[in-house]
Amino acid sequence: DSGVTQTPKHLITATGQRVTLRCSPRSGDLSVYWYQQSLDQGLQFLIQYYNGEERAKGNILERFSAQQFPDLHSELNLSSLELGDSALYFCASSVAGVDADTQYFGPGTRLTVL
Amino acid sequence: GENVEQHPSTLSVQEGDSAVIKCTYSDSASNYFPWYKQELGKRPQLIIDIRSNVGEKKDQRIAVTLNKTAKHFSLHITETQPEDSAVYFCAARYSWGKLQFGAGTQVVVTP
Repeated sequence: DSGVTQTPKHLITATGQRVTLRCSPRSGDLSVYWYQQSLDQGLQFLIQYYNGEERAKGNILERFSAQQFPDLHSELNLSSLELGDSALYFCASSVAGVDADTQYFGPGTRLTVL
Repeated sequence: GENVEQHPSTLSVQEGDSAVIKCTYSDSASNYFPWYKQELGKRPQLIIDIRSNVGEKKDQRIAVTLNKTAKHFSLHITETQPEDSAVYFCAARYSWGKLQFGAGTQVVVTP
């Protein structure tokens, strides 16, 4: 157990819908990262937050947004869902989000869009 | 650009043999290169990492080497066991904490 928690574990929804994925970092970690893992794209970095502020952005679609709250948990919002958004979504956390910080991954949320 | 290439995509080894996975990265990589192991349906777990001021690091049966001049790093697993079967990902850190992952290597250890 990495200490990073994610809810829900599984999510099944329809195209066009909106969902929210939740992540709680390890105790003491200030930085949160979101990654998408699909069969054909591997592990793709989406976005990073540090202490409530956005720090780095990857190939995140405009239909996706995220935020980190004062208690440091983070939410990833996915809207206007398409079939291709079906994937495993991982959250990771690290102490500071700089230099050689180790990132610890949560168990992931499996999203299925029908 | 920020790119990490990983080879091979699949690797089958006999139990007890060694396994080697190689990765190359682009110019703007930072100084931190972790390796993650992912079992089917589970989270990626860090197994070893290396920083650019070190050329080699070892942890029991696992070792990682880094050649910054050639921009490549490798994972070596010795005396492989069936429980080593998994997908292995290399990564390079870029801006802030962003990790760019390789495509992964499916390792199968046959008894």
